[in-house]
Amino acid sequence: QVQLKESGPGLVQPSQTLSLTCTVSGFSLTSYNVHWVRQPPGKGLEWMGRMRYNGDTSYNSALKSRLSISRDTSKNQVFLKMNSLQTDDTGTYYCTRGGFDYWGQGVMVTVSS
Amino acid sequence: DVVLTQTPPTLSATIGQSVSISCRSSQSLLHSNGNTYLNWLLQRPGQPPQLLIYLVSRLESGVPNRFSGSGSGTDFTLKISGVEAEDLGVYYCVQSTHAPLTFGSGTKLEIK
Repeated sequence: QVQLKESGPGLVQPSQTLSLTCTVSGFSLTSYNVHWVRQPPGKGLEWMGRMRYNGDTSYNSALKSRLSISRDTSKNQVFLKMNSLQTDDTGTYYCTRGGFDYWGQGVMVTVSS
Repeated sequence: DVVLTQTPPTLSATIGQSVSISCRSSQSLLHSNGNTYLNWLLQRPGQPPQLLIYLVSRLESGVPNRFSGSGSGTDFTLKISGVEAEDLGVYYCVQSTHAPLTFGSGTKLEIK
């Protein structure tokens, strides 16, 4: 069955870089897009960016200068890296399959010293 | 960027009541390929979002048929015909016609 699972550190210091991994199963990264979406505590959803099935990427314009999304198709993994983290980057980070039909459980990231 | 305006921000309903949520886009969501990429999601408390409706009006597999979507261009509506207790949560519209993708601000459904 289709599954996505996010992994990464729960705590990141301000100004440091966040690295998250989305490990997928039940579908091929060369057939489906994968998005990253985040949600600050108690707030709404924000689209961060996507890895397309063909390897192209697109990003939220507000995050583009800090954000990079890549993949390793042999490991069925999509990666997110975002630098210069600040406290308002605290929240739950989700990966979701294109079309938003399957979501991971999310990983809570806290930016704090 | 496309702005999706959802109304109302909160909704209080009794069991069995029918309710509607509006999602208005700052520009047409009709893609050049003829599809309109407007989806509706429900996020229950403590859970990731789940897909309810895709391509404006297509019901995702396993979603009860009391949920329905309609609209075109810039105006879209999600209707719940007979609210049930399990429907509480926050509803979001999301568009993927234009990059960057954008979400509505959400509508919180409370059960009276």
